[in-house]
Amino acid sequence: KNEVEQSPQNLTAQEGEFITINCSYSVGISALHWLQQHPGGGIVSLFMLSSGKKKHGRLIATINIQEKHSSLHITASHPRDSAVYICAVSGYNQGGKLIFGQGTELSVKP
Amino acid sequence: DAMVIQNPRYQVTQFGKPVTLSCSQTLNHNVMYWYQQKSSQAPKLLFHYYDKDFNNEADTPDNFQSRRPNTSFCFLDIRSPGLGDAAMYLCATSREWGSDRGRKPQHFGDGTRLSIL
Repeated sequence: KNEVEQSPQNLTAQEGEFITINCSYSVGISALHWLQQHPGGGIVSLFMLSSGKKKHGRLIATINIQEKHSSLHITASHPRDSAVYICAVSGYNQGGKLIFGQGTELSVKP
Repeated sequence: DAMVIQNPRYQVTQFGKPVTLSCSQTLNHNVMYWYQQKSSQAPKLLFHYYDKDFNNEADTPDNFQSRRPNTSFCFLDIRSPGLGDAAMYLCATSREWGSDRGRKPQHFGDGTRLSIL
C-alpha cells in the first residue's frame, strides 16, 4: 500500500463544476504539498500546509491532521485547470524529501 | 523573476554516451533536488544537496552522479545512459534550515526531457 494515496486517479468535469481531489497518507508528516503539472511541463507548487485551510483564487486546500487526509477543491473549474494534480508529503524526520501520491489527471471540458 | 532554470528543455543522446543536464537558480536556496519522472509516474528523488552536502537515495543507480559547484548551479551527469533512463528530469530548490526541513515549498524547473537513441 502506498504511503500517499490519491483519489480519483482520473477525473473529467464540465466547465464550471466544483471539483474535489482527495489525498490520504499513512506516515507522520511535517507538511503536505499540492502540486500541479501540465502535460509535458514542469511542476508548480500550489499549496503547502500543515494544518487548517488555505485559499488561492479558485483553489482551496484543507487538511485534517487527525484523520491524515487532505482535499484540494477547485471552484468554477475551467479548461485551463486541466492538468495532473499531485499530493506529496514531507515525512516527519525525513528532511525535505517528498513522498508522492500517484497523481490525479483532471480534464475540464468546455 | 527569481526562478529555477533547466537546460536544455529537450536532450537527445545515444545509448552509452555520457550526458549532462543543468539546473540553475536565482532564488539563493540552499537545497537543490534532482528527480526522475517517467511517463505517467510520480517523480522519483535521485539525490539532493543540502548546502554542499550530497545526499544520495539508496536506490539511485551508480550511473547517476551530481555536482554542485556553487549555490546557483547543480548538474546531473548520466555516465552511460541506457534506454531505461529516458525520462523527464526535474530540478527543484527550497530554502530549509534546521527545524524548517520539510516545511518549505519546493520550486521546480520546467524539466529536461531526455531521449536515448
